[in-house]
Amino acid sequence: GAGVSQSPSNKVTEKGKDVELRCDPISGHTALYWYRQSLGQGLEFLIYFQGNSAPDKSGLPSDRFSAERTGGSVSTLTIQRTQQEDSAVYLCASSLAGGRADQPQHFGDGTRLSIL
Amino acid sequence: GQNIDQPTEMTATEGAIVQINCTYQTSGFNGLFWYQQHAGEAPTFLSYNVLDGLEEKGRFSSFLSRSKGYSYLLLKELQMKDSASYLCAVILLSSGSARQLTFGSGTQLTVLP
Repeated sequence: GAGVSQSPSNKVTEKGKDVELRCDPISGHTALYWYRQSLGQGLEFLIYFQGNSAPDKSGLPSDRFSAERTGGSVSTLTIQRTQQEDSAVYLCASSLAGGRADQPQHFGDGTRLSIL
Repeated sequence: GQNIDQPTEMTATEGAIVQINCTYQTSGFNGLFWYQQHAGEAPTFLSYNVLDGLEEKGRFSSFLSRSKGYSYLLLKELQMKDSASYLCAVILLSSGSARQLTFGSGTQLTVLP
């Protein structure tokens, strides 16, 4: 596609429910990143994929968070038993190659998650 | 730990020049990015610096001093559409060879007529 596509754009759910967020990266981009942006705070790194593997999961805040990527393309971020502190904008980014520091990451518009 | 500081807010006048500073204390530094983010939209890439010095791109320039852990983004001939949040992000080497970005909290720039 022309850019990174994320769905849904907005998600409102009750505390305790599971949610699944989807990211479709730019075609040909092998590296994919998930970030979280809370109100008034900077973007927080969650997880990185190179192809289908996730060599760096250091940013996942708890074991309620998991992510997968299949076919080297679409990725899903799953949050189980959501808590109110999970409310944030979840941003996905992709780049041509994870191993090249100078490759800029291109971001999607994000999913705004609200936990009631 | 990683620490990236930038001012929370700045205000400038249309047509003027504004400099947004960013200081960082990190390990494994491998470059610095500036992104622009309008409210409710995706961050968009502005610049990348890995060597000391100034990189110029039209109305925007970015400067890096690795020895001082310091960067700035310079915006010239400000336009109303430049009102946005400007994010400083440092790219780090990590154990998985990931190039994760560590972001500052962003500087909200307001351009006044």
